[in-house]
Amino acid sequence: RKEVEQDPGPFNVPEGATVAFNCTYSNSASQSFFWYRQDCRKEPKLLMSVYSSGNEDGRFTAQLNRASQYISLLIRDSKLSDSATYLCVTGGFQKLVFGTGTRLLVSP
Amino acid sequence: GAVVSQHPSWVICKSGTSVKIECRSLDFQATTMFWYRQFPKQSLMLMATSNEGSKATYEQGVEKDKFLINHASLTLSTLTVTSAHPEDSSFYICSARKAPTNNEQFFGPGTRLTVL
Repeated sequence: RKEVEQDPGPFNVPEGATVAFNCTYSNSASQSFFWYRQDCRKEPKLLMSVYSSGNEDGRFTAQLNRASQYISLLIRDSKLSDSATYLCVTGGFQKLVFGTGTRLLVSP
Repeated sequence: GAVVSQHPSWVICKSGTSVKIECRSLDFQATTMFWYRQFPKQSLMLMATSNEGSKATYEQGVEKDKFLINHASLTLSTLTVTSAHPEDSSFYICSARKAPTNNEQFFGPGTRLTVL
């Protein structure tokens, strides 16, 4: 079983739609949680950290459920530029563990 | 800021040759640098963790004699793929961490290696 599991997608949505991604992780000792965005053939870029209390950054909302070992990302009012692969990432003391990513395609 | 550069951005080499990839933190000192590899449609896989002035720690299944890592300064780490083979063709990405207590990593733009 992979340490971080995500639905690979793709999720095809029209502009303006709301879309949600989920991720589960198996290591209960994970201490930090992130969503990264990766465009095709590029390096991953940090989108946001994820906290148990939930956090919001503009159109993006992330949530962490430690009891269920579940992380979510909600994107409201999708833009064409949101098309990318979204990586769920957990971290321990030293290293990050990446999910395979969920691909999002936003169409006009 | 926290900018990490990698050089070269892409390289094509013949089977059996060695390739060196550089990773630099441009505007901060990185106590720790990480090397990842990503095959098409797969996740980033950590290869090794590199601390300045000490030997790198390799993940299980990564051959330390094939993937040589040198972290000689707080702003530079190098990965040398020795005797490269076509199966080593991949996207190699480095990242750097500013402080031991901060888990955030800043990623370089990656190096695409193609071994013929």
